[in-house]
Amino acid sequence: QQQVKQSPQSLIVQKGGISIINCAYENTAFDYFPWYQQFPGKGPALLIAIRPDVSEKKEGRFTISFNKSAKQFSLHIMDSQPGDSATYFCAATNNNDMRFGAGTRLTVKP
Amino acid sequence: DAGVIQSPRHEVTEMGQEVTLRCKPISGHNSLFWYRQTMMRGLELLIYFNNNVPIDDSGMPEDRFSAKMPNASFSTLKIQPSEPRDSAVYFCASSFSGRGHEQFFGPGTRLTVL
Repeated sequence: QQQVKQSPQSLIVQKGGISIINCAYENTAFDYFPWYQQFPGKGPALLIAIRPDVSEKKEGRFTISFNKSAKQFSLHIMDSQPGDSATYFCAATNNNDMRFGAGTRLTVKP
Repeated sequence: DAGVIQSPRHEVTEMGQEVTLRCKPISGHNSLFWYRQTMMRGLELLIYFNNNVPIDDSGMPEDRFSAKMPNASFSTLKIQPSEPRDSAVYFCASSFSGRGHEQFFGPGTRLTVL
């Protein structure tokens, strides 16, 4: 059963805009929250990840915001570029369990 | 580092035939995962090995699917007999230690069962 709900299913953003993808989880025992980026014809690749001891992590244009009490986390892509067009998966894991979101197809229009 | 290696990259087979997918994880990684990806069901974990031992095979669809990891550098996923509904992209991934760490995915095997 899906324990990580990801939204939206698809997202279209203009170049330079902000892309926001949200995920919600149920199991409070999860302790690692990665985001994977997948381009067509390729395998997913880790983009950025966070552990629950911090509320935000930023790497370049990519930021994860984490709300432990709400059991939610989100990916923000600042200054979105056409090259960011891909499918993004969130995940919630610990050593005993791992759940992926259903994915968000992001299209950044030039 | 060569990354996770999968073979073949594409496989087309007839219904009822046996299919074997192969994976070589990143050297030094002790965890290996097999996934199936389809448009309808997204990314599904099929089985997870740790130190060559199957830890979680709850995602394996049915008895037609089997996976082995005879050593730290090789794993196979076998489907016998194959059915058209098995058509999907199958990914292998490895990680340094378990599910709570970054996974490195291979390029995938696109399987088409006619």
